[in-house]
Amino acid sequence: DGGITQSPKYLFRKEGQNVTLSCEQNLNHDAMYWYRQDPGQGLRLIYYSQIVNDFQKGDIAEGYSVSREKKESFPLTVTSAQKNPTAFYLCASSRTQGAYGYTFGSGTRLTVV
Amino acid sequence: QKEVEQDPGPLSVPEGAIVSLNCTYSNSAFQYFMWYRQYSRKGPELLMYTYSSGNKEDGRFTAQVDKSSKYISLFIRDSQPSDSATYLCAGGGQGFSFIFGKGTRLLVKP
Repeated sequence: DGGITQSPKYLFRKEGQNVTLSCEQNLNHDAMYWYRQDPGQGLRLIYYSQIVNDFQKGDIAEGYSVSREKKESFPLTVTSAQKNPTAFYLCASSRTQGAYGYTFGSGTRLTVV
Repeated sequence: QKEVEQDPGPLSVPEGAIVSLNCTYSNSAFQYFMWYRQYSRKGPELLMYTYSSGNKEDGRFTAQVDKSSKYISLFIRDSQPSDSATYLCAGGGQGFSFIFGKGTRLLVKP
């Protein structure tokens, strides 16, 4: 079955550590996205990529980095510069520029310990 | 500027009721609209994807877009307890990513 796989489901980060969240899709979608979801805040766009080797900052990119070396993969690194990283992170993909909607993964819950 | 707004709820209805969920948006360039259902601690699931104004029906769900008033709605007929979730609306257009509302929490009581 086609879909998006996010791993791990739960992740714990110590202060000062960088951590990487994995996102893989087998839908042959061109575009991929990373969102952060906090209670009462809705979905906020961190980064998005419309094509391999190209990506753009979203509304809250500070303290995050991404890469898009393969069409299927769009990992997100939460760096130590992100001061409040505890949140639910969602990866999504779509055909070009959101045509026919986004498909979301099941999310990664990141907690700072 | 809040581009997509939803009442956070919770909206509580009895089983079998018709549910009306609504969003307003401010960006007149929006052409595409989506409704998602999200269960607690899960990823959002696409329910409806619509283009421009008009109605779209899929089973118990009907999406309605009124671009003149910048108002979008999702109707759920014969609501079930399993419909209890948070419903997210989103709007987007050519060349830019979708903007999501904060979601409305729905409770369907048996």
